[in-house]
Amino acid sequence: GAVVSQHPSRVICKSGTSVKIECRSLDFQATTMFWYRQFPKQSLMLMATSNEGSKATYEQGVEKDKFLINHASLTLSTLTVTSAHPEDSSFYICSGRTRAGTEAFFGQGTRLTVV
Amino acid sequence: DQQVKQNSPSLSVQEGRISILNCDYTNSMFDYFLWYKKYPAEGPTFLISISSIKDKNEDGRFTVFLNKSAKHLSLHIVPSQPGDSAVYFCAASGETSGSRLTFGEGTQLTVNP
Repeated sequence: GAVVSQHPSRVICKSGTSVKIECRSLDFQATTMFWYRQFPKQSLMLMATSNEGSKATYEQGVEKDKFLINHASLTLSTLTVTSAHPEDSSFYICSGRTRAGTEAFFGQGTRLTVV
Repeated sequence: DQQVKQNSPSLSVQEGRISILNCDYTNSMFDYFLWYKKYPAEGPTFLISISSIKDKNEDGRFTVFLNKSAKHLSLHIVPSQPGDSAVYFCAASGETSGSRLTFGEGTQLTVNP
């Protein structure tokens, strides 16, 4: 299957700082990138959907000024958690999909811990 | 509103036996269903999918069954192996959702040697 490389895999940051998470599609062009968050023992929750070159569409309850998404190219999307707080500690996963594809390929995930 | 539900948070089976993971959905517009396996601190990996025009899809030890009238799908793993121990998510998508995936809560499968 196609590969989505997500970095970093783990990050610990201080409260109030910003953290950037990168997702790269290595062998396909991700026209659409989805960003998910998973809290312990809960389902993957979609945060936002971004199409290359367009502004991201955020799900209800997700603050767009806090979770900045950039999808400037067909192979790179970034999620920046701004002014992180301990409640933002979670597992963040990106998922890329081609224009014609019905399957989404996932990154390895990023474990964010805000202290 | 949980449109995709996995009612069993955990399942334990013996090595060599069959594992059956269940998933129910409520949105009749879903037309494509997927199963993902997830190890701790890793992203989900795709296992198998099924389109709503089929009622069964098989890939090696994995078989997915779809009952559209009951809005129910299941994943069968046979024979189960200890390496299958992971959290399994079912997911659904449809044209009206822009192929976004809606996930169930996941089921922790433990295969005992």
